[in-house]
Amino acid sequence: SAVISQKPSRDICQRGTSLTIQCQVDSQVTMMFWYRQQPGQSLTLIATANQGSEATYESGFVIDKFPISRPNLTFSTLTVSNMSPEDSSIYLCSTPGQLYNEQFFGPGTRLTVL
Amino acid sequence: GENVEQHPSTLSVQEGDSAVIKCTYSDSASNYFPWYKQELGKGPQLIIDIRSNVGEKKDQRIAVTLNKTAKHFSLHITETQPEDSAVYFCAASSGGSYIPTFGRGTSLIVHP
Repeated sequence: SAVISQKPSRDICQRGTSLTIQCQVDSQVTMMFWYRQQPGQSLTLIATANQGSEATYESGFVIDKFPISRPNLTFSTLTVSNMSPEDSSIYLCSTPGQLYNEQFFGPGTRLTVL
Repeated sequence: GENVEQHPSTLSVQEGDSAVIKCTYSDSASNYFPWYKQELGKGPQLIIDIRSNVGEKKDQRIAVTLNKTAKHFSLHITETQPEDSAVYFCAASSGGSYIPTFGRGTSLIVHP
């Protein structure tokens, strides 16, 4: 399984600012995913990030709010723009495994917006 | 699309007891059912999975069962230990998709 790291692990931000979250994988992967986990809730897919193409966003998520970069096969960033308290969540990146459909997750970034 | 329901939302047991978490799914095309454990401050970790050609799978103290006819699957943890305390998520996906649909999670608390 891939080893995934995220930076920062947590942050407290002011309303109206932006935060960029980094995701690093220890091997080359074609697909990377970004999830949001609101307090006490399940995991909601934000977008799929493919190297060399635009990210694919799920319903309810837009590029202006959550721009994503995927400069190479081991790295991706998610930016949470113009933040409001409703953006307070854990943000997780993941990659699929080699077998079937398993997902491997990073440790998450816990974001609090004041 | 797929819809996954998970129950209970909270489960409290004494150390040594068994714990059962149940999930139902709606899409008959789903054929892969993983379970994830999320400890405080960490990302979800895959602990066991089952595919639709299998009815039951066991790995030490944990087991999963699948009933395709009824569209439900369950996680069984025997001889629970305090370190089993975590949030557990079930999920379902079909062969053509890397993207699972997750249940809402069960917070398992094992009292020593």
